[in-house]
Amino acid sequence: SQTIHQWPATLVQPVGSPLSLECTVEGTSNPNLYWYRQAAGRGLQLLFYSVGIGQISSEVPQNLSASRPQDRQFILSSKKLLLSDSGFYLCAWAPGTSGKETQYFGPGTRLLVL
Amino acid sequence: EDQVTQSPEALRLQEGESSSLNCSYTVSGLRGLFWYRQDPGKGPEFLFTLYSAGEEKEKERLKATLTKKESFLHITAPKPEDSATYLCAVRDDYKLSFGAGTTVTVRA
Repeated sequence: SQTIHQWPATLVQPVGSPLSLECTVEGTSNPNLYWYRQAAGRGLQLLFYSVGIGQISSEVPQNLSASRPQDRQFILSSKKLLLSDSGFYLCAWAPGTSGKETQYFGPGTRLLVL
Repeated sequence: EDQVTQSPEALRLQEGESSSLNCSYTVSGLRGLFWYRQDPGKGPEFLFTLYSAGEEKEKERLKATLTKKESFLHITAPKPEDSATYLCAVRDDYKLSFGAGTTVTVRA
């Protein structure tokens, strides 16, 4: 069976500091990978998605970036965090490119920027 | 731009009191409507996918239905463990667009 991991679970960072969140998927190959942000009382906002190693598409202009160095690894980064980057970050995977695949979510990372 | 609106924002039910959640959507080319359950501080858990009007899916006390403009999630005889936020999303090509969710609280 497939498993998705995210770490850390919780992170408190000062404004202006760098960020690195990691997501890994087990039990599948060549998944589509996604990063979402969820603000309190709002729906999930898609930030980035990837259909393969080194292939990243950005949905929202911001000071965040994403990378996919390995098939089942997806990293969300920032060089300098802003207060507005606080939120709940979710990684998701989907099995391939059939066009009907369901996205499955990880446990999330709670980020608080102070 | 795709839009997904969920109502009500919050729903408080007595145990055993059945009710329905609504998800209305506008999308240029629907390629699936998804329901997820999210517990506080956790990632969304997949419940159902519906692809065409008239389709229905059931799981325990939950039943999802789909029309051309909206979907309903019916909760029959809910229990306290059904308390959660229920998220609806529509798929247009690769992207899922989510509603803000309905938070359901079931009191014993």
